[in-house]
Amino acid sequence: DGGITQSPKYLFRKEGQNVTLSCEQNLNHDAMYWYRQDPGQGLRLIYYSQIVNDFQKGDIAEGYSVSREKKESFPLTVTSAQKNPTAFYLCATYQGGNQPQHFGDGTRLSIL
Amino acid sequence: GQSLEQPSEVTAVEGAIVQINCTYQTSGFYGLSWYQQHDGGAPTFLSYNALDGLEETGRFSSFLSRSDSYGYLLLQELQMKDSASYFCAVRASYNTDKLIFGTGTRLQVFP
Repeated sequence: DGGITQSPKYLFRKEGQNVTLSCEQNLNHDAMYWYRQDPGQGLRLIYYSQIVNDFQKGDIAEGYSVSREKKESFPLTVTSAQKNPTAFYLCATYQGGNQPQHFGDGTRLSIL
Repeated sequence: GQSLEQPSEVTAVEGAIVQINCTYQTSGFYGLSWYQQHDGGAPTFLSYNALDGLEETGRFSSFLSRSDSYGYLLLQELQMKDSASYFCAVRASYNTDKLIFGTGTRLQVFP
């Protein structure tokens, strides 16, 4: 079954703690993206990667880090430097050309 | 700066037609996409316009006028399940497919 899998669905972070959100895809898409969505707001780009071992900062990269060691995986770490991490995090992939971005089901991160 | 403006909320009744407008101001423009998002869910792709004119997909149509930096999503024969948030998104870069999203329009369909 092809698609994008984000885990966990819900995540709680303690103060000063780093947490990692998983995004795995079996669509064979080269490009992957991480977005943050706050309540009642649109999506804002955190990081994106067009090929393995390469990634670029988006509009709100501060306090986040990523890696792209495999084509299928693009994990996002929310570091303790991100002072307001409570949000809905969405991972997306892109095949190329005029194809749309496809989204995973998201991870909802809250502060304990 | 870069911005997309949409109405925050629209209401309509079942069977009606509703239009959601989107005006944009971005440094690059390679197309306008529309996504639907139900509460707590992932955005799902509805429509894409790279060129001026109307694109029709079933009950949904999308229009683009690049000279006016304007587009709209038209939803016909509204159903209760169409109650959701709708986002326009500008494709600001061709090679990287970076998308800039509007803040979304919440559509409520009443019986």
